[in-house]
Amino acid sequence: AQSVTQLGSHVSVSEGALVLLRCNYSSSVPPYLFWYVQYPNQGLQLLLKYTTGATLVKGINGFEAEFKKSETSFHLTKPSAHMSDAAEYFCAVSRWDDKIIFGKGTRLHILP
Amino acid sequence: DAGVIQSPRHEVTEMGQEVTLRCKPISGHDYLFWYRQTMMRGLELLIYFNNNVPIDDSGMPEDRFSAKMPNASFSTLKIQPSEPRDSAVYFCASSSFRETGANVLTFGAGSRLTVL
Repeated sequence: AQSVTQLGSHVSVSEGALVLLRCNYSSSVPPYLFWYVQYPNQGLQLLLKYTTGATLVKGINGFEAEFKKSETSFHLTKPSAHMSDAAEYFCAVSRWDDKIIFGKGTRLHILP
Repeated sequence: DAGVIQSPRHEVTEMGQEVTLRCKPISGHDYLFWYRQTMMRGLELLIYFNNNVPIDDSGMPEDRFSAKMPNASFSTLKIQPSEPRDSAVYFCASSSFRETGANVLTFGAGSRLTVL
């Protein structure tokens, strides 16, 4: 069975500071990994994905994530936070042929 | 493409009434998913379809919930009878393995259900 654990349901960072959202996964097969973002009153949208190949994945809005198999992690980072980054972020895992399992989400707050 | 279209965006109903939520997936997508989102439980997968066939409905809470996909461009999620604990935002999402090589979901804007 697959699962995702997101550390911290709420994270606050100052504008301009590093954003780090943590995600650990469990999977018995090579995983596909995703980060989705949800802005208020909207559906989720894909931020970035890892399937195979390069372990450092770049996404939209300056975000990136690194797949670390030895640590079973897929943490999301952004060098400099912007007020518009305030949203809820979901890490997710799937097999290549199966449904996606989402984490419980991390709400990112940006402090002026 | 206009994206995944859900209706209604907001629904307020009384306990015991039937509720029908509708979804039009992106044309050409062969997977369709129904999720429910609440503060307490987060994002829960209710059911998903592949080529209009239900593949996994293990997340459907109970017999009061049913979902259908009569064709590739339309799906419904029905709750009968509705209860206050069904209040949530219901999302529909679609995807295409062929296009993305992985299960990348495009979500609709959601249907916010309030059962009084």
